[in-house]
Amino acid sequence: ETGVTQSPTHLIKTRGQQVTLRCSSQSGHNTVSWYQQALGQGPQFIFQYYREEENGRGNFPPRFSGLQFPNYSSELNVNALELDDSALYLCASRPGGLNNEQFFGPGTRLTVL
Amino acid sequence: DQQVKQNSPSLSVQEGRISILNCDYTNSMFDYFLWYKKYPAEGPTFLISISSIKDKNEDGRFTVFLNKSAKHLSLHIVPSQPGDSAVYFCAASAADSNYQLIWGAGTKLIIKP
Repeated sequence: ETGVTQSPTHLIKTRGQQVTLRCSSQSGHNTVSWYQQALGQGPQFIFQYYREEENGRGNFPPRFSGLQFPNYSSELNVNALELDDSALYLCASRPGGLNNEQFFGPGTRLTVL
Repeated sequence: DQQVKQNSPSLSVQEGRISILNCDYTNSMFDYFLWYKKYPAEGPTFLISISSIKDKNEDGRFTVFLNKSAKHLSLHIVPSQPGDSAVYFCAASAADSNYQLIWGAGTKLIIKP
């Protein structure tokens, strides 16, 4: 059974640029969530997708957007990057519809210069 | 507004002794609580969870206690082992928010030989 994978591992961008981060969910999991973790803080919920539909969103501006594909893999897109967007971006998957634990990928470290 | 708080940024415990990590929350709608462990350069790994209808859940060396009236939960690790050294996150979710996880800032546990 393959776990959650994310790509790329590290990324450096400059202010104003756009970035796309990718996540492959664990087999059998139809719900994917994205989190932003700044240094020294806990992860902050960005949004969640269930069967290709966004069904939850945290306190993030519209320049943070996402997609989920029929195979339940997912993308996080961030437009007009700002310095404060520098963080570890975590993707998690779980079987949908139930209150159960989420399984996390290793994360993508984004640095905005 | 921090809904989940871990007030101890770090904790140092002798190997073989009990480690107790604490977590407080403010949102009475939370009905499911989870503990995750995180090593550097890895995503969080699920440890143990508890539903709000219970006050204790045990899994091997790990026990989570929930005090709903005090809005407090704790994770006990007995006996503590060197491999337990990591950052521990408390997270909470509610059915009415599609189970998105709200996280504490984490406690770094150091097990001394």
